[in-house]
Amino acid sequence: AQKVTQAQTEISVVEKEDVTLDCVYETRDTTYYLFWYKQPPSGELVFLIRRNSFDEQNEISGRYSWNFQKSTSSFNFTITASQVVDSAVYFCALSESGGGADGLTFGKGTHLIIQP
Amino acid sequence: EAGVTQSPTHLIKTRGQQATLRCSPISGHTSVYWYQQALGLGLQFLLWYDEGEERNRGNFPPRFSGRQFPNYSSELNVNALELEDSALYLCASSLERQGGDTQYFGPGTRLTVL
Repeated sequence: AQKVTQAQTEISVVEKEDVTLDCVYETRDTTYYLFWYKQPPSGELVFLIRRNSFDEQNEISGRYSWNFQKSTSSFNFTITASQVVDSAVYFCALSESGGGADGLTFGKGTHLIIQP
Repeated sequence: EAGVTQSPTHLIKTRGQQATLRCSPISGHTSVYWYQQALGLGLQFLLWYDEGEERNRGNFPPRFSGRQFPNYSSELNVNALELEDSALYLCASSLERQGGDTQYFGPGTRLTVL
């Protein structure tokens, strides 16, 4: 069965600091997909990125970057020069191939607090 | 383009009652997923509907049920409500029924059971 672990329950940093959110996953499938979502206090999950298991290239989008390493089963998320608006709960999620049969498996989430 | 919409925003019920939650997917999306986010339990997959059929369900009892209408909107019904059903219920939609297809979420319905 698949599993996603986000060991950091809460992280608090001062604005402009860089911060990395860790995500470790377990799956038996060779084809799978990894996601990051942001959940602000309003509650809606906002999609950030999707990665398939065959694409290990790191990705950068503005201040956000993602490091996917199959060798360590990790998909870490870094925010550079953090801002107060980045404060939210961030979820890492896994989907195995097979028609979306089991929905997404989420980690417990990391609550990120950016202090001004 | 409108995102996933859910109604109502908040719902208050008492134990034993039934709750009905509604979801409209993004236009063109045929798959609808329901998730429960209860305090301390995280986000858990509830149900998946595609083309009007229930395709799979998570580890939830049969009193959690639903349906998908011809216009792909969906309804989640929770019968015989229990206190532990209090949670944020999130609906998501995706373009296709492929594993790994990106799911886009709505704002959720917060259900409180008294």
